[in-house]
Amino acid sequence: NAGVTQTPKFRVLKTGQSMTLLCAQDMNHEYMYWYRQDPGMGLRLIHYSVGEGTTAKGEVPDGYNVSRLKKQNFLLGLESAAPSQTSVYFCASSLQGPHQPQHFGDGTRLSIL
Amino acid sequence: GQNIDQPTEMTATEGAIVQINCTYQTSGFNGLFWYQQHAGEAPTFLSYNVLDGLEEKGRFSSFLSRSKGYSYLLLKELQMKDSASYLCAGTDSNYQLIWGAGTKLIIKP
Repeated sequence: NAGVTQTPKFRVLKTGQSMTLLCAQDMNHEYMYWYRQDPGMGLRLIHYSVGEGTTAKGEVPDGYNVSRLKKQNFLLGLESAAPSQTSVYFCASSLQGPHQPQHFGDGTRLSIL
Repeated sequence: GQNIDQPTEMTATEGAIVQINCTYQTSGFNGLFWYQQHAGEAPTFLSYNVLDGLEEKGRFSSFLSRSKGYSYLLLKELQMKDSASYLCAGTDSNYQLIWGAGTKLIIKP
């Protein structure tokens, strides 16, 4: 029962470096989401996908790109990391839309120096 | 604007009852979620209210008043393991969830 799996769990980057966060779900969910969580703030949606091959911008998409080439995978890319992107990143999935419960991965703790 | 408000922190005693409130202003509101998040862990789903009224699930109950833009989560017979943050989230007209900052619940023996 893997559910939603995120890799890596921790990462430290230098300003300007790039990286990709991986998210995989084995529940055959259509919708997938990338959030960031910062102290004192609610989860903020970065990008989401309503199905294989589709992506859409959320509340805070700048500085991030995503891809959903396969239904089970949703990748989040940082092309040129900035200290403001230091955060905890959560991937989530739901069977259909956001009116259904979202299942979250364990998070990726990312620090940008 | 769209906004979800909930208290930052609450303290309660083991065995007692606590009510965590949430007020929301979202256009195109369809329903309200409650999630639990233990420190350093992922949020996990607790409840989803679409209709007005109280829904009970064991020790946890959730209430919604659409006319007042108000919800609460009621936790009974508190246990130490209930120490966590409780996140309130409402759907908006863009078909996305708007999340509150979470209420950190501290349980004392």
